[in-house]
Amino acid sequence: KQEVTQIPAALSVPEGENLVLNCSFTDSAIYNLQWFRQDPGKGLTSLLLIQSSQREQTSGRLNASLDKSSGRSTLYIAASQPGDSATYLCAAKAAGNKLTFGGGTRVLVKP
Amino acid sequence: DGGITQSPKYLFRKEGQNVTLSCEQNLNHDAMYWYRQDPGQGLRLIYYSQIVNDFQKGDIAEGYSVSREKKESFPLTVTSAQKNPTAFYLCASSTPGLGANVLTFGAGSRLTVL
Repeated sequence: KQEVTQIPAALSVPEGENLVLNCSFTDSAIYNLQWFRQDPGKGLTSLLLIQSSQREQTSGRLNASLDKSSGRSTLYIAASQPGDSATYLCAAKAAGNKLTFGGGTRVLVKP
Repeated sequence: DGGITQSPKYLFRKEGQNVTLSCEQNLNHDAMYWYRQDPGQGLRLIYYSQIVNDFQKGDIAEGYSVSREKKESFPLTVTSAQKNPTAFYLCASSTPGLGANVLTFGAGSRLTVL
C-alpha cells in the first residue's frame, strides 16, 4: 500500500528565503506526482504535476523535482513571499487511478 | 466560469442524523471524487466515480453513501453509521485515465456533529 510522507509538518522562514519542501513515497510504481496548495479552510489548488517519465517541472518561482528510484519529490519556491504562506500537499497517483496524499507541510513566510 | 461548487460551506448535525453534501461541476469532467480531511492529516478517499451511474469505494467508505445520476453531480450522504463524521469534506473532479489529468477541487464543506 502506497504511503506518502511530508517532513517537516511545519516550516517558518523569513521573506526572501528559498523554500524546500519534501515529499517521500514508498511505492515507486507511480504514474505521476502532484503538488497542491491549500489556504486555511479552502480547497486545494494544483501547482505542478510531474509525470513519471519526467525529472522536473517549473512554473514561475516554483520548481518540482521527481526521483522515482529514491521515492522522493521536492518542491522549491524561490524568493519566498508572505503570500506563499499556506499548506502544501503532495499526492502520488498509482494503480487504480487513485491519489495518495501526504499530510502536508504548513508554511509561514514572515515579513 | 468553470469550476466545482460544494454546498453547504458549513453544516451542523446532531448525532443520529443523516446529512447530504452537494457537489456540482461544470467542467465536463467524467471522474469525480470525495475526500475527507482531518486536522493535520492528508486527504483520504471516501468514494470515487469514473462515469455516470458507476462508483467505487475508496479507503474509508464505511458510513458514507453516494450516487452519480448525472455527470455534473456527485452528492455524498454522511449516515448515522459514520462514527466520527466531524471533518472537512472536499469534492474533486478530473478527466479519467492515468494521464496528466489534474484534479480540480471545490472549496470544501465543514461538517460538525453537535
